Amino acid sequence: DTGVSQDPRHKITKRGQNVTFRCDPISEHNRLYWYRQTLGQGPEFLTYFQNEAQLEKSRLLSDRFSAERPKGSFSTLEIQRTEQGDSAMYLCASSVLAGVSEQFFGPGTRLTVL
Amino acid sequence: GEDVEQSLFLSVREGDSSVINCTYTDSSSTYLYWYKQEPGAGLQLLTYIFSNMDMKQDQRLTVLLNKKDKHLSLRIADTQTGDSAIYFCAEKDSGYSTLTFGKGTMLLVSP
Repeated sequence: DTGVSQDPRHKITKRGQNVTFRCDPISEHNRLYWYRQTLGQGPEFLTYFQNEAQLEKSRLLSDRFSAERPKGSFSTLEIQRTEQGDSAMYLCASSVLAGVSEQFFGPGTRLTVL
Repeated sequence: GEDVEQSLFLSVREGDSSVINCTYTDSSSTYLYWYKQEPGAGLQLLTYIFSNMDMKQDQRLTVLLNKKDKHLSLRIADTQTGDSAIYFCAEKDSGYSTLTFGKGTMLLVSP
């Protein structure tokens, strides 16, 4: 499968715990994006990388959130001290740099914070 | 800031045409996209239109763009039950690389 993959697909955690999600983009894509989608809403942008550089962060990305893309390939999104309001689907997308830059989305990681 | 609005629900019969509408506020949008999301799945890009175009056709899909009114529509011809899903309109601003999505339109196709 050469699409965007995300792991895990589902995560249930207790409030206050830390969680980490992984995204593997399409191999030749140098841009990688994280979005959050809550029930009944469209995806909301969190942050994006061009190669290993984090170029933009949304104000939705509080201090408890951190994202990395250390070698310009896969990325991780960590949420520290999770809160019930963090429950959502976390979507990763990747694109090439130029032109239309269509973003191809992964299946998402559904986080439930109890 | 940017805002993208869509109607929330559309119900049609199999074989009819479906028209899903979207309005946006950002006049510097360069590309406008339509994504489809089926239950439990990620988003699938259906089609896109560049802001200097007013129409694009791709098989059963027709996208119309009225840039003056900032109105985008997606027409699905001969709608099938497999088209039942949530459809998201999204725009990309010329100054940014990220997408702003609407809340999605749930399309229900009945036999």
